[in-house]
Amino acid sequence: AQKITQTQPGMFVQEKEAVTLDCTYDTSDQSYGLFWYKQPSSGEMIFLIYQGSYDEQNATEGRYSLNFQKARKSANLVISASQLGDSAMYFCAMTDYNFNKFYFGSGTKLNVKP
Amino acid sequence: SAVISQKPSRDICQRGTSLTIQCQVDSQVTMMFWYRQQPGQSLTLIATANQGSEATYESGFVIDKFPISRPNLTFSTLTVSNMSPEDSSIYLCSAGTGYEQYFGPGTRLTVT
Repeated sequence: AQKITQTQPGMFVQEKEAVTLDCTYDTSDQSYGLFWYKQPSSGEMIFLIYQGSYDEQNATEGRYSLNFQKARKSANLVISASQLGDSAMYFCAMTDYNFNKFYFGSGTKLNVKP
Repeated sequence: SAVISQKPSRDICQRGTSLTIQCQVDSQVTMMFWYRQQPGQSLTLIATANQGSEATYESGFVIDKFPISRPNLTFSTLTVSNMSPEDSSIYLCSAGTGYEQYFGPGTRLTVT
């Protein structure tokens, strides 16, 4: 069965600094996908970035990059140049090859300090 | 990206009653899902809404309690039946095709 683990319940980062949010996963599938979502206090889930298991390059979307280490089964999110608006809950998620099921980690609450 | 709306945005219901939550997508999508999120917790998948057939439920969720409809590729409903205070939660709809998966704003349900 698939499992997503986020070991950092909460993190602080200084504004304008980079921060890495950890995510490890467990699956026996060869083909799968990994996501990161942001959930501000308002509650909406905002899609940030996606990485396919066969993608050779790490995904990047603006200030977000996904550090994908397949052998270690990790998919860490790197946010560069943190902004106050980045303060939110961040969820790592995994899907099977058919996008039939999604599994979410427990989340990491990020606080950006001015 | 797909835009997803949910109705109602919030509701307060009495125990023993039922509430139907609607999810509307602005474009045709392959997959639609329903999640539950307790305050401060992660998302738990309730079921996958299949177009034209019965929903696929996750362990711990049953059709009698959470009947789901999906009559077409842009719309789905989730009913929370015979509600109890333990059903108080945020219910989220997500939809998409392939890796493009987006979420609705959620329905905040309080059962008294």
